[in-house]
Amino acid sequence: GDSVTQMEGPVTLSEEAFLTINCTYTATGYPSLFWYVQYPGEGLQLLLKATKADDKGSNKGFEATYRKETTSFHLEKGSVQVSDSAVYFCALSVRAGSEKLVFGKGMKLTVNP
Amino acid sequence: DGGITQSPKYLFRKEGQNVTLSCEQNLNHDAMYWYRQDPGQGLRLIYYSQIVNDFQKGDIAEGYSVSREKKESFPLTVTSAQKNPTAFYLCASRDLGGSNYGYTFGSGTRLTVV
Repeated sequence: GDSVTQMEGPVTLSEEAFLTINCTYTATGYPSLFWYVQYPGEGLQLLLKATKADDKGSNKGFEATYRKETTSFHLEKGSVQVSDSAVYFCALSVRAGSEKLVFGKGMKLTVNP
Repeated sequence: DGGITQSPKYLFRKEGQNVTLSCEQNLNHDAMYWYRQDPGQGLRLIYYSQIVNDFQKGDIAEGYSVSREKKESFPLTVTSAQKNPTAFYLCASRDLGGSNYGYTFGSGTRLTVV
């Protein structure tokens, strides 16, 4: 079945550090890939997306590139801020049947000043 | 503004009781979803519905029930058969005619069994 494997953390970084969160996937068909962010006590917000191979999603300084050859969608940010402290989820959706989202387990990031 | 409203934000249940979590959307989205979130386990799909009066089991449907009598509403009932109901529950909706990434999430309900 479809699945997502991501770094679980928790991870603590200092402000302005470089961030990488690894995400790999297994899917039948050609999935769309997503990163969602969850701030404390809230629901999920879409951070960025990519719908086909070699697409790069970007938003708020975060980037991720859809790599079909390595089945990966790693999230990166060059300089994190305290306000980036949150839980980050990698997810996929396959355009077949219900098109439901399949999530990784999430990674909690804390950024200290 | 359009969005998804989940209520209540916090809910306490005694063992053996059924409770119903509300999810309402005014986005005119076709599909609605219920996810359960536990620490270290990510989000797992409970039920989903793509059209009124129809719904499908997700990965962890046992001990839960849903209804979809109106397009904008998708309430989730946590029954006494659910052995470990304490969790954070998230509702989502999506326009099936739109792009493949049009999921909108509510702000969640935290259910605690006391």
